[in-house]
Amino acid sequence: DADVTQTPRNRITKTGKRIMLECSQTKGHDRMYWYRQDPGLGLRLIYYSFDVKDINKGEISDGYSVSRQAQAKFSLSLESAIPNQTALYFCAKSVQETQYFGPGTRLLVL
Amino acid sequence: GESVGLHLPTLSVQEGDNSIINCAYSNSASDYFIWYKQESGKGPQFIIDIRSNMDKRQGQRVTVLLNKTVKHLSLQIAATQPGDSAVYFCAGGGGNAGGTSYGKLTFGQGTILTVHP
Repeated sequence: DADVTQTPRNRITKTGKRIMLECSQTKGHDRMYWYRQDPGLGLRLIYYSFDVKDINKGEISDGYSVSRQAQAKFSLSLESAIPNQTALYFCAKSVQETQYFGPGTRLLVL
Repeated sequence: GESVGLHLPTLSVQEGDNSIINCAYSNSASDYFIWYKQESGKGPQFIIDIRSNMDKRQGQRVTVLLNKTVKHLSLQIAATQPGDSAVYFCAGGGGNAGGTSYGKLTFGQGTILTVHP
């Protein structure tokens, strides 16, 4: 099940800029997640959503916000990007207990 | 809370050998475990899962073993191929369907598997 898409795939931005990362899935699954991955580290949960009206903070939500505009879309925003937010960002959805991941967005904050 | 870790950060094997990647978990309430494979530049890809009421599950060339007594699981890859080179993550989760924990996973840091031809 690989219907999770992410845009953009790569992004370079400057400190202080606001950026949004988009995630979509087409099969109507309720639960979606945003993770951050840094070199040498595993996946850390930023935010998750169990349906359109349900948004929850993960372990590293500071500096990030999310929007679940529709069941199919879950966006991650950095209101004022800083260099230590340079990382690989993954969106995922769960089908029952299994999570399926998008291809990732590589973000560089200068 | 849950923590999931790995014994070794890297593993190098020769093509054709069997590979074993290990993982430890701390939360006794975890009842569902997954192994993911992440190739360079891609998102993690589901390999195989296992529930806590099982101690072994087999897939195509892969086997996952679960030892609940010592909170340990392993991924065995038979006849490892160069295409198996990747980072492998274990993840654990649990909870009742519809509950707040259901579908959430805690990930280990990953093991880098390198297969030499």
